[in-house]
Amino acid sequence: DAGITQSPRYKITETGRQVTLMCHQTWSHSYMFWYRQDLGHGLRLIYYSAAADITDKGEVPDGYVVSRSKTENFPLTLESATRSQTSVYFCASSERETGPIAKNIQYFGAGTRLSVL
Amino acid sequence: RKEVEQDPGPFNVPEGATVAFNCTYSNSASQSFFWYRQDCRKEPKLLMSVYSSGNEDGRFTAQLNRASQYISLLIRDSKLSDSATYLCVVNKASGTYKYIFGTGTRLKVLA
Repeated sequence: DAGITQSPRYKITETGRQVTLMCHQTWSHSYMFWYRQDLGHGLRLIYYSAAADITDKGEVPDGYVVSRSKTENFPLTLESATRSQTSVYFCASSERETGPIAKNIQYFGAGTRLSVL
Repeated sequence: RKEVEQDPGPFNVPEGATVAFNCTYSNSASQSFFWYRQDCRKEPKLLMSVYSSGNEDGRFTAQLNRASQYISLLIRDSKLSDSATYLCVVNKASGTYKYIFGTGTRLKVLA
């Protein structure tokens, strides 16, 4: 039961470089999410996807690009990394639930620690 | 005002103590509420969902107060292994899959 995996776990890059963080889930969950976590802030939503080829902006999307050509993959690309994008990035997935007690629980990957120098 | 607010702590309690955390939310249309646990440098993991009538899971009890717009988490008989950060999570609005995470409350259980 692989669940949801992120790669790389750690990444150091330089300002201006393009970086892609990978996220793969084996549950066939409809929804996938990218968050960043910084000191003093809760997890903040960057982008999310309701299904393959459907993506939407979250709270802090600037400087990031996502794609979802397959249900199981949801890569996050920093087109030109900046120091302010140094953070821990978490990918999550959730099944689509309906009904009055639908909870849409999110399951998280182990995270990617990104440092932009 | 933040959409979800938590006391950051730390709450330092002895083993065996009972400890409670509150979390307030601003959007009265929110319908889904959770407590997640996050260990240092790890991913958040679901501790429990919070139901309108309140719910219990072993030593953990969650309550929802819609009138005052807060949820609570009570931990009884604290264990050393309960030391972690507890995140309050609320959906942004009814029917949405967007969730707002609190900054977390840090708990340290002391021997």
